[in-house]
Amino acid sequence: QKEVEQNSGPLSVPEGAIASLNCTYSDRVSQSFFWYRQYSGKSPELIMSIYSNGDKEDGRFTAQLNKASQYVSLLIRDSQPSDSATYLCAVYPPGANNLFFGTGTRLTVIP
Amino acid sequence: EAGVVQSPRYKIIEKKQPVAFWCNPISGHNTLYWYLQNLGQGPELLIRYENEEAVDDSQLPKDRFSAERLKGVDSTLKIQPAELGDSAVYLCASSPGQGTNNEQFFGPGTRLTVL
Repeated sequence: QKEVEQNSGPLSVPEGAIASLNCTYSDRVSQSFFWYRQYSGKSPELIMSIYSNGDKEDGRFTAQLNKASQYVSLLIRDSQPSDSATYLCAVYPPGANNLFFGTGTRLTVIP
Repeated sequence: EAGVVQSPRYKIIEKKQPVAFWCNPISGHNTLYWYLQNLGQGPELLIRYENEEAVDDSQLPKDRFSAERLKGVDSTLKIQPAELGDSAVYLCASSPGQGTNNEQFFGPGTRLTVL
C-alpha cells in the first residue's frame, strides 16, 4: 500500500465553483501534511501545510485534516482558470524525514 | 529571498554519456533533497543531505548515480552512464532543517532527455 493515494482525475469544475481535492494516507500516526500545486512543465509549489485536525484557511484555499479517517483534503473556493494545475498531496510518515508524494490530481477550471 | 536555483534547466544527451545537475538551496537551509519526477507521478526522493552529510541515499541507484554537497551548500547530482530510462525531471528542494514539520521548497528542475 502506498503511503499517499490520490485520485488522478482529471477533475473539472466551472469557474467560480468549489474544487475539492482528496488524499488518503496509510499510516495513522503521520503528523504533517502538505499540498503542492504544479503547473504543466513547472516544479511543485507549496501552497498549504497542515498539522492538526480540522481546517486551515489561507485565502481561497482550505486544507482539512481528519486523522481518524486518515484523509486530508484541499478546497479551492471561487475557482479560477489560473487554478488549473496538478495538485500533489505529500506526507511525512512517522520516523521518516522524507516527504512521500501522491501521484497528483489534475484540476481543470472551465471558464 | 531567492529560491532554490538549479542548472541546467534542460539537458539532452545520448545514452551512455555522463550528465551532471547543480543545485543551490535557499540561503540558510541546511537540508537539501534531490528528487526524480516521472511524467504523471509525484516526486520520488533520491537522496537527502543534512549539511554536507548524505543521511538518506537508500533510493539512489549507486551503480550509476552519485551526489555530493562538499561545503554543505551547493550540491551536484551526477549520472554516469545515462540510460534511456533516466529521462525525467530532476528536482532539488531545500528546507530549513530536518524533522517532520519542515516545509520543502523546490527549484525549477532539470528536464533530462536521454536519446
